[in-house]
Amino acid sequence: DTEVTQTPKHLVMGMTNKKSLKCEQHMGHRAMYWYKQKAKKPPELMFVYSYEKLSINESVPSRFSPECPNSSLLNLHLHALQPEDSALYLCASSLDSGTDTQYFGPGTRLTVL
Amino acid sequence: AQSVTQPDIHITVSEGASLELRCNYSYGATPYLFWYVQSPGQGLQLLLKYFSGDTLVQGIKGFEAEFKRSQSSFNLRKPSVHWSDAAEYFCAVETGRRALTFGSGTRLQVQP
Repeated sequence: DTEVTQTPKHLVMGMTNKKSLKCEQHMGHRAMYWYKQKAKKPPELMFVYSYEKLSINESVPSRFSPECPNSSLLNLHLHALQPEDSALYLCASSLDSGTDTQYFGPGTRLTVL
Repeated sequence: AQSVTQPDIHITVSEGASLELRCNYSYGATPYLFWYVQSPGQGLQLLLKYFSGDTLVQGIKGFEAEFKRSQSSFNLRKPSVHWSDAAEYFCAVETGRRALTFGSGTRLQVQP
């Protein structure tokens, strides 16, 4: 099973809302990733967790707050977002970070009003 | 800095025709290279990857890619395209920072 699941599929939120995106994998992978993808653009790395510890933060604004409660679960907490944060948010996982193949979830389509 | 270039933003081919999507990379060491495909509104699916060894790599869905160090290229090929191959294709390189850097993508359109 090479499945990464993400919930919700779609999310609409106002600029004052607090919401969370969830990502889950049961492949025993120890690295998990958040990417942001704007329309007609490639995915851009936001965060990397390795063995449940944050290893890379690509200077993402603090209104995005990642959390890795356990090795199977990755959350992205959203607060006070801006309309320009509207995008497809992709989660991925790999056996370990580095050269291992990353498996992507279907993404959460976020719209900020 | 490491980078990946996909020179073709958009390619249209006829169903049954052959396909080649170009990818060039800039990286000092031996690169780890990937091709992913993305259907509209979906996540990315790995087609194939190159780490070392045989420079001709076979992937899923009948795709293959050839690593050419002298040309810093990793082009994706398919001998006969099917309508279901219409999608966005991304070349990516593992940068040594334990993360992927993607090219800008090539949108493939397939004409009947």
